[in-house]
Formats: sequence, C-alpha cells, structure tokens
Amino acid sequence: DSGVTQTPKHLITATGQRVTLRCSPRSGDLSVYWYQQSLDQGLQFLIQYYNGEERAKGNILERFSAQQFPDLHSELNLSSLELGDSALYFCASSVDGSGGAGKPYEQYFGPGTRLTVT
Amino acid sequence: GNSVTQMEGPVTLSEEAFLTINCTYTATGYPSLFWYVQYPGEGLQLLLKATKADDKGSNKGFEATYRKETTSFHLEKGSVQVSDSAVYFCALGRNTGKLIFGQGTTLQVKP
Repeated sequence: DSGVTQTPKHLITATGQRVTLRCSPRSGDLSVYWYQQSLDQGLQFLIQYYNGEERAKGNILERFSAQQFPDLHSELNLSSLELGDSALYFCASSVDGSGGAGKPYEQYFGPGTRLTVT
Repeated sequence: GNSVTQMEGPVTLSEEAFLTINCTYTATGYPSLFWYVQYPGEGLQLLLKATKADDKGSNKGFEATYRKETTSFHLEKGSVQVSDSAVYFCALGRNTGKLIFGQGTTLQVKP
C-alpha cells in the first residue's frame, strides 16, 4: 500500500459525459501528479500540482482539467468524453516537486481509476 | 527532448533464469533514473532508482547501474521467480518532477 488513494476504482460512462476522479496523496506529500495509461500511448504525464498551484503540464487535453485543494487532495475532471479517453488514470504524490535545483523526489502511485467510455 | 526506450516484450523466462531488461534514455544533463513495477491489477511501485552516473540502484534482488557513457539503465536479476511476473517500466525524472516512462516490458516467469 503506497498510501495514495484514488476513487472510484472503476468508472463506466457514455460519450459526451463528464466525470471527476479523486486522489488523496500520502500524508505529508505536497505534490500530486496525474498520469494516463492507455494501450496505444503508454504512460503519459498529464499535469502536476504543488501545494495547490499548477506546476507542470504535459499532454493534457483542453477537455481535461485538474485542481488541488487546500487539504492537498486533487481532482481530475474529464469532460465531453470520447471513446479514446478510455484508460487507466493514475495519481502519484511526492514530498516535493517544487522544481528547485535538487533531484526529483520519489513518486508514489495510487491504484488507479479505470475509465471506460462507451 | 527527453525520452526513454525499453526493449520490447514480452520476455518469457523459466524460474531461476537470469533477467536483463534493457533501457536507454535521451536527455540533456543528468536526470535521475527509475525502475517501476506494475503487478496485474495494481498501480506502479518504485523498484529502484539512481540519481547520478555510476550509481547502482538495488532492491529485492534487482539491480540497475546508471551508465552515462552508454545512456543506459538496464535492469538485472540473477534468479527470477514466478512472483516477479509483472510489467516493468523504466523512467527518467528531472527536477521538474514529472516522470517520462518507457513503453513497459512484460515479464512472464514460468515454473
């Protein structure tokens, strides 16, 4: 158990709908990352938050958005869903991730949310 | 840009065989390198890491050495077990925090 929790575990929805995925980081971790794992694209970084602020953006579609709340949990919102959005969505957390001069901290991954768009 | 290339799988071995999974990277400067493992139906677990050239990461019998001259971070284990069957991901990280993953290599160990 990594200490990172994600809900729900599975989500089945229809095209055009909107869903929200939730992530609670490990106790004490300030940084949260979202990744998408699909068969054709592999593991892709989507977005990172550090202590409530957006820190880095990857290959995240405009239909997707995220935020990190004062209690440090994070939500990933996916809207106007398409069949191609079906994937595993992972959240990870680390102690830091502030982008300073130091080395990257270890990231701990949650169990993922499997999204199926029908 | 930064990228990671892993050997394609699946890799099928008999129990107690020697394992090597190749990983090479492209990056400027000195990134940190990681191996993560994903067991069926689970999230990724950090297996080992190395933060500078010639560092050797090790854990649970697995080892990998950060080779700057060949830009490689190959994963090895002397004697695999059935319980090692999983997908292994090589990843590169910089101080920005995000990880760049290889495509993953599926390992199947048969008794």
